[in-house]
Amino acid sequence: DGGITQSPKYLFRKEGQNVTLSCEQNLNHDAMYWYRQDPGQGLRLIYYSQIVNDFQKGDIAEGYSVSREKKESFPLTVTSAQKNPTAFYLCASSPSGAGGDNEQFFGPGTRLTVL
Amino acid sequence: KQEVTQIPAALSVPEGENLVLNCSFTDSAIYNLQWFRQDPGKGLTSLLLIQSSQREQTSGRLNASLDKSSGRSTLYIAASQPGDSATYLCAVRRRSGSARQLTFGSGTQLTVLP
Repeated sequence: DGGITQSPKYLFRKEGQNVTLSCEQNLNHDAMYWYRQDPGQGLRLIYYSQIVNDFQKGDIAEGYSVSREKKESFPLTVTSAQKNPTAFYLCASSPSGAGGDNEQFFGPGTRLTVL
Repeated sequence: KQEVTQIPAALSVPEGENLVLNCSFTDSAIYNLQWFRQDPGKGLTSLLLIQSSQREQTSGRLNASLDKSSGRSTLYIAASQPGDSATYLCAVRRRSGSARQLTFGSGTQLTVLP
C-alpha cells in the first residue's frame, strides 16, 4: 500500500524532554510538511522540505527541529523550548514540479500530550 | 497575509438534506484551493482540488466551486448521509513565498442526523 505513516499514534512527554515524531512516505514525493493542529483550529505549518537535505521554517517553527536525510523520511523533534507542545501533529507530502498545483496527502497524525 | 475563514463553525442537518459549506480567503493570488475531510482523531482526506483557473470540481455527491475574484469557495453536499458527519476544512495554496504552502481555515463540523 502506498501512503504516509506516522508513529507513534499517541505520545506522552514530560516537561523538559525532547521527543521525536516519525513520518515516512512511500509515494516517491519530493516535498514533505509538518503541521500542528489545536482544538477547533485549522492546521499551522511548522516546517517543510522540498528536497532531500533541505528544509525551511514555516509559520510556527520555534521550539521544533527537523531533518531530511532521506527522501522518504521527515522526522520532527519537539524540543523543551516549545512552551505549549500539546497538540495533534500531522505530516503531509506532495509531488515535486513547477508551480503550486500539486495536491498534498496527509498521514494519520500523532497526538502529543505533555504530562 | 492570507487568512481563510469558514462559516459556520458547526452545522447540524437531517439526513437527505442538501447543504453548502462556505470558505472565504483574503488574498485572491492563489494557485489552488483544496477541500479536506477530517474524522475525529484522524488525518485529513483530500476531497476536491480546484485550480485557480477552474470554476468548479465534482466528485460524486460533492461539488466545489471557486470564485477567486470575490475570495470565496463553496462545498455543496447533495443528499447528505450520517456517514458525511465530519469536520470539513478548506485550504488555499499561496502564490507568494513557497509555492507549496497551504493556509487552512478552522473548519466546519458537520453532523448529519439519521
